[in-house]
Amino acid sequence: KAGVTQTPRYLIKTRGQQVTLSCSPISGHRSVSWYQQTPGQGLQFLFEYFSETQRNKGNFPGRFSGRQFSNSRSEMNVSTLELGDSALYLCASRTGDQETQYFGPGTRLLVL
Amino acid sequence: AQSVTQLGSHVSVSEGALVLLRCNYSSSVPPYLFWYVQYPNQGLQLLLKYTTGATLVKGINGFEAEFKKSETSFHLTKPSAHMSDAAEYFCAVSGFQGAQKLVFGQGTRLTINP
Repeated sequence: KAGVTQTPRYLIKTRGQQVTLSCSPISGHRSVSWYQQTPGQGLQFLFEYFSETQRNKGNFPGRFSGRQFSNSRSEMNVSTLELGDSALYLCASRTGDQETQYFGPGTRLLVL
Repeated sequence: AQSVTQLGSHVSVSEGALVLLRCNYSSSVPPYLFWYVQYPNQGLQLLLKYTTGATLVKGINGFEAEFKKSETSFHLTKPSAHMSDAAEYFCAVSGFQGAQKLVFGQGTRLTINP
């Protein structure tokens, strides 16, 4: 089976812009989670989607949003980018609760 | 609420030596525990996990970890380090019911000296 794929892998934006990141889960996986990784804060949970519904959300401002499509692919959007949003954004998928999360390679976002 | 503390942000060992990476957790419910590894410019790869049952868990690449409830620990070990083990290692905890997120420790960077 193909693993979790994320596009794009690298992205450069400027402050105030918005960005959309994409995640395609492993075939058959209905749950997609997003995490932000920064040197200062480490790995932090953003949100999780299951069958197109957000069912868990981390402590991030409303500028961070996401959605999931009927084919389980997920997108994450960040509006009004700030310098502090520079990070590696990781997507993980799993079949369901209590199952292992499998991570994609991440999208590295640089905000200038 | 759950949290993870990894003792030592950097660990350096010689090739062939024992690897010991420490992880302590806090959880108000019985935990599921994980170790992930991250190589440069890559995502996270699962090394091993503890859910229920046997407290000594064996993972990939010769790694193992032991769940000790009394010590709230889940330390990662490997008897003999290899150069290819150089990476960053993350311990994580989640609950066992419902839609549970992973809560990660700050990570430990492992360096292998030839």
